Amino acid sequence: EDQVTQSPEALRLQEGESSSLNCSYTVSGLRGLFWYRQDPGKGPEFLFTLYSAGEEKEKERLKATLTKKESFLHITAPKPEDSATYLCAVRGAGGTSYGKLTFGQGTILTVHP
Amino acid sequence: GAGVSQSPSNKVTEKGKDVELRCDPISGHTALYWYRQRLGQGLEFLIYFQGNSAPDKSGLPSDRFSAERTGESVSTLTIQRTQQEDSAVYLCASSPRTSGGLADTQYFGPGTRLTVL
Repeated sequence: EDQVTQSPEALRLQEGESSSLNCSYTVSGLRGLFWYRQDPGKGPEFLFTLYSAGEEKEKERLKATLTKKESFLHITAPKPEDSATYLCAVRGAGGTSYGKLTFGQGTILTVHP
Repeated sequence: GAGVSQSPSNKVTEKGKDVELRCDPISGHTALYWYRQRLGQGLEFLIYFQGNSAPDKSGLPSDRFSAERTGESVSTLTIQRTQQEDSAVYLCASSPRTSGGLADTQYFGPGTRLTVL
């Protein structure tokens, strides 16, 4: 069974204070690792897809990296508008559940001005 | 272009009543997914459709839950005889396709918040 663990559960930063969020996973044959951002009362907003170890993707102040066991979401010089819950999800190759994403519990990020 | 839409955005119902939740996927997306998010918890997979067929219903919590999709477009999630533990946000997502190969990105709608009194 695919499993995803995110840490920390909550992270409070000062504006401009860079940090990283961790996503540890176990999966039978990774077919994709996904990062989403979720604001209160809204659906998850897609950020990145990573497929293989060593892959990196960047978007504005965010950079996602992937190893065989974990992914990191690096936030450089965050701003208050980066405050949100960040979700990590994986899809494995196991069985015939080609559609199922397994999500972590999320990291609640708060950036103070 | 238009994203995934869901209706209603909020639904309050009494215990024992039936509810229907609707999802309109991104045009041209053949795969559609339903997830549930209970307060303070992660997203929980319910079911997915490839076209109008549902190859994986393994996440449906009980036989009170059912879903259908027509015209490879709109999907409806039906919960019969609702219980208080059904209270959650129900999220729908779509992707261009799904297969055993590399996974397509799933794009989510805004969700339907269901409250069972």
